[in-house]
Order: sequence, then C-alpha cells, then structure tokens
Amino acid sequence: DAGVTQSPTHLIKTRGQQVTLRCSPISGHKSVSWYQQVLGQGPQFIFQYYEKEERGRGNFPDRFSARQFPNYSSELNVNALLLGDSALYLCASSLWYSGANVLTFGAGSRLTVL
Amino acid sequence: DQQVKQNSPSLSVQEGRISILNCDYTNSMFDYFLWYKKYPAEGPTFLISISSIKDKNEDGRFTVFLNKSAKHLSLHIVPSQPGDSAVYFCAASDGNNDMRFGAGTRLTVKP
Repeated sequence: DAGVTQSPTHLIKTRGQQVTLRCSPISGHKSVSWYQQVLGQGPQFIFQYYEKEERGRGNFPDRFSARQFPNYSSELNVNALLLGDSALYLCASSLWYSGANVLTFGAGSRLTVL
Repeated sequence: DQQVKQNSPSLSVQEGRISILNCDYTNSMFDYFLWYKKYPAEGPTFLISISSIKDKNEDGRFTVFLNKSAKHLSLHIVPSQPGDSAVYFCAASDGNNDMRFGAGTRLTVKP
C-alpha cells in the first residue's frame, strides 16, 4: 500500500515566480496537512484540509494557498516567491482532522528560491 | 512562538547504552504528544505517542515519559542501536488541527 506521495521532489524557482506542490494521501485518509520545514527547525503548520474544506491555517501570508480535491489529493500554491520560502514542504495525511491524531508524512518537496 | 522546545540540538551515545531525548512545552492545553524520527531524504515517521492522562507509554525499546507539572517529556531508547541514528522531533497537539513541533535533536549512536 502506497504511503503519502509528493511531487516534485526537488525544484528550483526564482524570486517572484509561483510554485505548485502536489500530494496524494494514504488511501482512506481524508485529511491532508501541509508543513514547511526550514533548515535547522521543526516542521511548521501551514494548512489542514478535511473533506475538501479548510480546517486550519497557520501563520503564513496570503501568498500561500491550498486546496483539496474530491479524491482527497491536495495542492499547495505559493505565489510571488521570496528567498525565505526556500524550505522542505511536507505533506501529511491522517484519518481525522483533530484529536489524538497521528500524521503520516511524505518525503517532501524541496524548494529552492534563487 | 516556540511552544515546543528541544534544547539539545545533538546527542551522541554508544551502542547498547541508553539514549534520552528531552522536550519542553509551554502550552498547558496540549493533551497529546508524539515523537517522530527523520532520516535524511525521508519524511518524519511516527515513533510513539502519549496522552496527557498518562505519564508513561512503552513500545519495545522506546519509552516516552510525561511530566505534566514540569511541562516536560522525554524519550528513552534502550538499548540504542546504530540504526537509531536520526533526527528526533517532539510534537504536541491541543486537539486542534495544527501540530506543533520542536526543532529536533540529532541522535548519533556509535558502534
């Protein structure tokens, strides 16, 4: 059974460009969360979606947006890229969106902004 | 706001000895705590968790201890093995949808 899959694995963009990252959750998982991990820090919460609805949003600017599709896959979009957006973007899926919830992470998409 | 803190960026132990990784938190609303392990080029993988109604949870070589009054939890690995070498993240949840992570501790187990 496939785990959480993310694409692309690596990408390089320049300042001002836009990027779209994709995530497919574990089969049966209806919740998808996005995290940003900057070098030397722990993952920081960006968004959570459950049943195609946004259930939570972290302290990130409006340049960051996401959506979830009917098959529960998800996309994270970042507009007007800044150098500080360079990070590993992790997608995680789970059965529920709250409570004693274990997140299963993908391997991440490493974004470099030049 | 650093609600979950791992103050030791790295830890080195000898194979067969005990590894103790520590984590402190500030938010008294956290009621569920987890440890994740991360190898290079992989996402974090779930290791063990504990609810705030317990003070200890054990799974094989891994034991997590929770001291609510001190807002402190620790992960014990006994005996440590070279394959345990990884970055360990402490995470906490208050029942809402955003899990808070510490900065991680890099564990190196020497043969």
